[in-house]
Amino acid sequence: NAGVMQNPRHLVRRRGQEARLRCSPMKGHSHVYWYRQLPEEGLKFMVYLQKENIIDESGMPKERFSAEFPKEGPSILRIQQVVRGDSAAYFCASSTGVSNQPQHFGDGTRLSIL
Amino acid sequence: GESVGLHLPTLSVQEGDNSIINCAYSNSASDYFIWYKQESGKGPQFIIDIRSNMDKRQGQRVTVLLNKTVKHLSLQIAATQPGDSAVYFCAEEIQGAQKLVFGQGTRLTINP
Repeated sequence: NAGVMQNPRHLVRRRGQEARLRCSPMKGHSHVYWYRQLPEEGLKFMVYLQKENIIDESGMPKERFSAEFPKEGPSILRIQQVVRGDSAAYFCASSTGVSNQPQHFGDGTRLSIL
Repeated sequence: GESVGLHLPTLSVQEGDNSIINCAYSNSASDYFIWYKQESGKGPQFIIDIRSNMDKRQGQRVTVLLNKTVKHLSLQIAATQPGDSAVYFCAEEIQGAQKLVFGQGTRLTINP
């Protein structure tokens, strides 16, 4: 499967715990994007990363949220001290980074906060 | 084209008819547009794209039209099939920014 892979598909956390969402980009892609989607809404941009660099984090909440894309391994979106409002579907996309080329999405992680 | 948190607009069509889904985008600096299809429990799936130097592009059973004057995008699906049932999103990429701004989405339902 050469598509964007996200895991876990479903994640349940209690308030105050940490959530770690993983994303492996499509083969040949070195640019990763994270989006958040609430029910019945469109996706909202969170952060754009290349290997070892954060390019644009204008959509990330200032506190509790962080993202990385290390030289080896998947991209990680980390949410510390989760609250009920963090419940959402989190999608990762990847691209070649060339302008005017589509981003391809994974099937997301559904995060539920108890 | 920002989502405002309301229930999704719905379009119902008869199987075999053509579907037209519309989208108003927000930024005149956007130079690249994509239509995505999202089925329940899945991620957005790329359908077709268009650059701002074009006003029409055709794929297999789908056509995208771009009107930059009024900042309007449409997706036409020919001979709609049950498998076309999904939520359809337009997305715009602001020149040089790489990130996508998604529209509200339209739920397409097919009547047999």
